[in-house]
Amino acid sequence: AQTVTQSQPEMSVQEAETVTLSCTYDTSESDYYLFWYKQPPSRQMILVIRQEAYKQQNATENRFSVNFQKAAKSFSLKISDSQLGDAAMYFCAYRSEDYAGTASKLTFGTGTRLQVTL
Amino acid sequence: ETGVTQSPTHLIKTRGQQVTLRCSSQSGHNTVSWYQQALGQGPQFIFQYYREEENGRGNFPPRFSGLQFPNYSSELNVNALELDDSALYLCASSSGRESSYNSPLHFGNGTRLTVT
Repeated sequence: AQTVTQSQPEMSVQEAETVTLSCTYDTSESDYYLFWYKQPPSRQMILVIRQEAYKQQNATENRFSVNFQKAAKSFSLKISDSQLGDAAMYFCAYRSEDYAGTASKLTFGTGTRLQVTL
Repeated sequence: ETGVTQSPTHLIKTRGQQVTLRCSSQSGHNTVSWYQQALGQGPQFIFQYYREEENGRGNFPPRFSGLQFPNYSSELNVNALELDDSALYLCASSSGRESSYNSPLHFGNGTRLTVT
């Protein structure tokens, strides 16, 4: 079974600064997808960025980028130019390349609470 | 485009009772999955429905059951409620049997269930 570990329960960053959230995972599969989701107080899980395991190039979405190290099974999220609206819980998630019926199954980490200060 | 909507937003039940949570999927989405998020934890996969049939299930007992309707909306039913069932229940929809890279999950705002 796959597991996802987020070792930072809380992180804090000043507005306009850069912060990196860590995520490691364990799997025996070679093809899979990785995601970062954001959960603000509204409780809705919002997709921040995604990465296909077979792509060596790190994904980037505006101020958000990842450092994907497949051999190390590491998938960290970097937020540049942090904004007050970035404050939320951030969850790292894993999905198998599975067409047997559980393709919607995401395995989540326990989350990192990000505080953004002035 | 209408997003994923869940009802009710909050619910309080007594141990041993039964509860039904509802979810309307995003327009154009035919796959619905349910997640349980206990306090301070990440969401855990309960099951997935595609074309009105369950086609994937996580490590949850049979007292967790569901339905998907022809309009792709869905219900989550939990029988014989236990205190540990207190959690945020999230519904997510996607397009197609396989939730592909280009059709990621879209989540609702969840239903907060408290069992006393």
